[in-house]
Amino acid sequence: DAGITQSPRHKVTETGTPVTLRCHQTENHRYMYWYRQDPGHGLRLIHYSYGVKDTDKGEVSDGYSVSRSKTEDFLLTLESATSSQTSVYFCAIAGLAGQETQYFGPGTRLLVL
Amino acid sequence: AQSVTQPDIHITVSEGASLELRCNYSYGATPYLFWYVQSPGQGLQLLLKYFSGDTLVQGIKGFEAEFKRSQSSFNLRKPSVHWSDAAEYFCVLVETSGSRLTFGEGTQLTVNP
Repeated sequence: DAGITQSPRHKVTETGTPVTLRCHQTENHRYMYWYRQDPGHGLRLIHYSYGVKDTDKGEVSDGYSVSRSKTEDFLLTLESATSSQTSVYFCAIAGLAGQETQYFGPGTRLLVL
Repeated sequence: AQSVTQPDIHITVSEGASLELRCNYSYGATPYLFWYVQSPGQGLQLLLKYFSGDTLVQGIKGFEAEFKRSQSSFNLRKPSVHWSDAAEYFCVLVETSGSRLTFGEGTQLTVNP
C-alpha cells in the first residue's frame, strides 16, 4: 500500500470553528489532492498541489484553503466550518498527474454540528 | 467540461452470477479511465486503468473492462461474482492534459448468497 496517512481520522467540531486536516505521504510523490465524498456525488476535488507551495482549486474549493510547505505534507483548512462541510475527506497522491494511479488515504470523517 | 455517468445507482446480483457495471463518459479527447472500488468504511482501491492500446483491460480480483470509443463507454465486468465483491464502484475519468479526476456517482453492488 502507498504510504499515505490522514489525521485526524474522525473529528467532531462546531459551526464557525476552524479545522485543519493533515495528509502525510512517505512516497515523495509530486502531486497531492484533497477530495470530499458525499452520498450521490462520488468524490469531488477540493484542491490539489503539484509541488511545494504550488496549489490550485478544484470544483468545490469555496470555504477551504490548503498549504504545502514540504513535499510530504498537504494541509486542508476549513476556515470557518459549516454544517454543509460535514463529509468524508480523502487525500490522494500521484507521481505524474494523469498518467499514474492516484493512491488514496484512509479518509477523515468530519462532523460539523 | 468532462463528465462521467454511472446509470445504475444500485445493483443486486447472486453469488456466482456475472456482473456488468456501466460507465459512460464525455470528454473532448481520448481519456484516461479508471475503475476504483470502495469497501464499507474504507478508502479507494484501484481495480484497473485504461490509458491507450488494447481496449480490453484486465484488473485485480478477476475484473476486466472494455473501452468503446464509439459508445463513450468503459464498462466493468466480472464473470462470476463473489460475496466479497460487495462494495461501491466508481468509474473515473482523468484529464490527459492536467491532474484532475472526475468521478462518477458510484454504483453500489449487493451480492446475495
